[in-house]
Amino acid sequence: DSGVTQTPKHLITATGQRVTLRCSPRSGDLSVYWYQQSLDQGLQFLIQYYNGEERAKGNILERFSAQQFPDLHSELNLSSLELGDSALYFCASSAGTANTEAFFGQGTRLTVV
Amino acid sequence: LAKTTQPISMDSYEGQEVNITCSHNNIATNDYITWYQQFPSQGPRFIIQGYKTKVTNEVASLFIPADRKSSTLSLPRVSLSDTAVYYCLVGVLSGNTGKLIFGQGTTLQVKP
Repeated sequence: DSGVTQTPKHLITATGQRVTLRCSPRSGDLSVYWYQQSLDQGLQFLIQYYNGEERAKGNILERFSAQQFPDLHSELNLSSLELGDSALYFCASSAGTANTEAFFGQGTRLTVV
Repeated sequence: LAKTTQPISMDSYEGQEVNITCSHNNIATNDYITWYQQFPSQGPRFIIQGYKTKVTNEVASLFIPADRKSSTLSLPRVSLSDTAVYYCLVGVLSGNTGKLIFGQGTTLQVKP
């Protein structure tokens, strides 16, 4: 158990819909990272938040957004969903701002039908 | 952006040492090299990280030559439970300009 909790574990939704994925980081970790893993694109870094503020951006689509709340949990919002958004979405956390030892959650498997 | 290249797959037998090499010709001065292990339907797990020369921890060693254009993850005496995908990650998150590039991953199959 990494200490990072993601909910829900599975999500099935229709195209055009909007979903929210939730992540609770390890106790004491200030950084939260979001990743997308799909068969054709592999593991891709989406975005990082540190202590409530956006810190770094990767290959995140404009239809996607994230935020980190004062209690440090984070949410990834995916809107106008397309079939190609079906993937595993991982959240990771680390103590600092550099990607040193990051701890990953079990992921949320999103299926868009 | 530091693009990484790893072998797609490797086979080994229990008890052998396994070396997985990652090429990152365009690595930047501030980039670190990190290796993660991933089992099916689980999130990646940190194995080891280094900047140059050699780093060793309780599960692996990481060798980085002076030019830093490649790195080698060494797993001593693998067991069946080491069957997984291994990712080489190059980059560092610094301010708003950090970028992380995952390699395509190496699927290691350990046979009895």
